[in-house]
Amino acid sequence: QKEVEQDPGPLSVPEGAIVSLNCTYSNSAFQYFMWYRQYSRKGPELLMYTYSSGNKEDGRFTAQVDKSSKYISLFIRDSQPSDSATYLCATIAAGNKLTFGGGTRVLVKP
Amino acid sequence: EPEVTQTPSHQVTQMGQEVILRCVPISNHLYFYWYRQILGQKVEFLVSFYNNEISEKSEIFDDQFSVERPDGSNFTLKIRSTKLEDSAMYFCASRRDSQETQYFGPGTRLLVL
Repeated sequence: QKEVEQDPGPLSVPEGAIVSLNCTYSNSAFQYFMWYRQYSRKGPELLMYTYSSGNKEDGRFTAQVDKSSKYISLFIRDSQPSDSATYLCATIAAGNKLTFGGGTRVLVKP
Repeated sequence: EPEVTQTPSHQVTQMGQEVILRCVPISNHLYFYWYRQILGQKVEFLVSFYNNEISEKSEIFDDQFSVERPDGSNFTLKIRSTKLEDSAMYFCASRRDSQETQYFGPGTRLLVL
């Protein structure tokens, strides 16, 4: 079983729609959860970082963690064409390496 | 806003040659990482570095790879004898002592011919 799984997409939405992204993980030792955005041939850019189960909001972005079901979500409200990118979820056990999902490609059409 | 920088942005080399990829982490960060991403695949962990020594490495990080912090600002990844399968984007990342968030550089695209 892969440690972190994401649907590769592409997920295509019209401008202004809500983008809903999901990730599952298998290792209960994972304690911290991140969402990164990656534009084509660029480095991952940190969007959201959460520790506990529940919601965390930052502007148009909301991250949700459900540790009981090992499920992580990212919602993007009022999506813009500039949100078109690959979104990577990542998890970490205390102190060390990030384990990434494969990424979901998102296309926001004007 | 401080950021991680990497040089070169692109590197083309012949199989068997040595390459050195350079990174300047964010200045007050203490933990340093290298990751790689083969085209179309996941970002994979290579190595972590703290207090002038390797703290963890993956199975990818074999004897052909080494890391060094030669001075107070640079962090380098050396591949001694490159193979075709080393072609990938290589990302440097760093984090502060007090948080888990890692910040990534823009990457070096390595092409081994």
